[in-house]
Amino acid sequence: GAVVSQHPSRVICKSGTSVKIECRSLDFQATTMFWYRQFPKQSLMLMATSNEGSKATYEQGVEKDKFLINHASLTLSTLTVTSAHPEDSSFYICSARDPGKNEQFFGPGTRLTVL
Amino acid sequence: AQRVTQPEKLLSVFKGAPVELKCNYSYSGSPELFWYVQYSRQRLQLLLRHISRESIKGFTADLNKGETSFHLKKPFAQEEDSAMYYCALSPNNAGNMLTFGGGTRLMVKP
Repeated sequence: GAVVSQHPSRVICKSGTSVKIECRSLDFQATTMFWYRQFPKQSLMLMATSNEGSKATYEQGVEKDKFLINHASLTLSTLTVTSAHPEDSSFYICSARDPGKNEQFFGPGTRLTVL
Repeated sequence: AQRVTQPEKLLSVFKGAPVELKCNYSYSGSPELFWYVQYSRQRLQLLLRHISRESIKGFTADLNKGETSFHLKKPFAQEEDSAMYYCALSPNNAGNMLTFGGGTRLMVKP
């Protein structure tokens, strides 16, 4: 099946710094990628929809200036958590839509810990 | 707005017993329903979708529009079925945007 990678898998940073997470579709072109957030023992919450070549669409309650999304190519979307604070600590998961299969494929996730 | 509810956070059964993971949804249109599974230390992966009407790993799910449910069933649970199961909904023509339920952890005991 299609493969989606995320980098890094785990990151620890100090409060106030910015962290970039990459999401790549390895064997298909994804015009649409999605970013989710998952708190411990909770479900995935959609943060934003990332469309190649255009601005991301953010879900209600998600600060677009804090969670910057860039989808510059058909195989790469990045999520930058700006001025991170401890409450931003979470598991961030991306997915990429394979239009040929009309299906979303998920990355392995990135665990962010802000000290 | 759409909503997906999985009433059970944990479901524990013995090997060989039938299992049913419940999922109810609310959406005004005609959604597409999915079941995703996450095995220990692995990423989320699609188990089945209602439009396919197929059985995967012995699991089936039928969309009941009258009851707005999409329960996942398997007649004889196996230990390797132990995992987190998420029911998800995509509004029609929404480019696969997914709303997830809270998830149910299935534990199959030997």
